[in-house]
Amino acid sequence: EPEVTQTPSHQVTQMGQEVILRCVPISNHLYFYWYRQILGQKVEFLVSFYNNEISEKSEIFDDQFSVERPDGSNFTLKIRSTKLEDSAMYFCASSDLLAGVWEQFFGPGTRLTVL
Amino acid sequence: AQSVTQLDSHVSVSEGTPVLLRCNYSSSYSPSLFWYVQHPNKGLQLLLKYTSAATLVKGINGFEAEFKKSETSFHLTKPSAHMSDAAEYFCVVSVQYGNKLVFGAGTILRVKS
Repeated sequence: EPEVTQTPSHQVTQMGQEVILRCVPISNHLYFYWYRQILGQKVEFLVSFYNNEISEKSEIFDDQFSVERPDGSNFTLKIRSTKLEDSAMYFCASSDLLAGVWEQFFGPGTRLTVL
Repeated sequence: AQSVTQLDSHVSVSEGTPVLLRCNYSSSYSPSLFWYVQHPNKGLQLLLKYTSAATLVKGINGFEAEFKKSETSFHLTKPSAHMSDAAEYFCVVSVQYGNKLVFGAGTILRVKS
């Protein structure tokens, strides 16, 4: 069964460093998303991406964040200068229209720790 | 704006007894509703989804949920809990096609032997 994959599973970085989180969505899906979950808190929407551009972004998704689909298969989230508060689990998702409902399929997540 | 309220942060049941996880939603439009489960150190797995076709939705692992528009509720149930059901459960709403998901705060289900 097709699935969303994410790499790495864990990432440790120093504050101020750039990180790139990678995702491979399900191949025929049209929409791509990033969410994050700070430890003990809700899963929060960051950004959605459709037709090679951002379709919606949250207040969290400021100028430090960017997304890209560089090669038609990968979908990346870049954080330019990480802060301590960026420590979280980051989930990638992709979606397709199934039985009249847009269903999002999630990857296993990347745990980002900023020291 | 869309929102989801999960009425219990923790639920504890004995193995073999029924499970009820409560969820209320708020939406200006006809919503799509989902329940996701997250086992410790794992990703988010879809349990079930509501389409307008049927108000009683059956999902994986014996779970089901009933959409009640008059009560704006989408409670998750299972007749008999199993130890492997211990996890965190999220009620989720989406409004527009391809739109973001809005998650509830989650309910941690504990199953006692």
